[in-house]
Amino acid sequence: KAGVTQTPRYLIKTRGQQVTLSCSPISGHRSVSWYQQTPGQGLQFLFEYFSETQRNKGNFPGRFSGRQFSNSRSEMNVSTLELGDSALYLCASSPSGLAGAREQFFGPGTRLTVL
Amino acid sequence: AQSVTQLGSHVSVSEGALVLLRCNYSSSVPPYLFWYVQYPNQGLQLLLKYTTGATLVKGINGFEAEFKKSETSFHLTKPSAHMSDAAEYFCAVDPTSGTYKYIFGTGTRLKVLA
Repeated sequence: KAGVTQTPRYLIKTRGQQVTLSCSPISGHRSVSWYQQTPGQGLQFLFEYFSETQRNKGNFPGRFSGRQFSNSRSEMNVSTLELGDSALYLCASSPSGLAGAREQFFGPGTRLTVL
Repeated sequence: AQSVTQLGSHVSVSEGALVLLRCNYSSSVPPYLFWYVQYPNQGLQLLLKYTTGATLVKGINGFEAEFKKSETSFHLTKPSAHMSDAAEYFCAVDPTSGTYKYIFGTGTRLKVLA
């Protein structure tokens, strides 16, 4: 089975621009979560989508948004980029909400650099 | 609020020596617990997980962890370190809130000395 894929792997943007990152989950997985990883703040939860609905959201400003499509693929968008948005953005997928099947499988991440 | 504490941001061990990475969590109910490893420029790879049942959990690459409810700990061990174990390790808690909102520790970078 193919793993979680994220595109692009690397991005360079300038302040004020917007960016869209894409995530394709493992086939059959319906839950997709996004995390931001920075040296200063570590790994922080952004949001989770399940069956095209945002099920949970972390403590990030409204400039960070996401969506999920009917094939479970997900995108996240960051508008009006700031220097502090430079980070590794990780996507993770999970099979379902069944008890006991709660591990997340992570993609390789998208490294975003904001200049 | 739930939290995860990893003691020691950097740990060095000699090749062949015991690896011990510490993780303590705060939770009002026993959560689901995970250890992930991250190699440079890569995502996170699941090492092992504790959900319910046996408190000693075996994972990949010879790692294991023991869930101790009384100590709210979930320390990761490996009897004999290998050079390929050099990476960053993250402990994570899933508070069983019904969604996959993991809380991660700050990570421990493991260095293996020849």
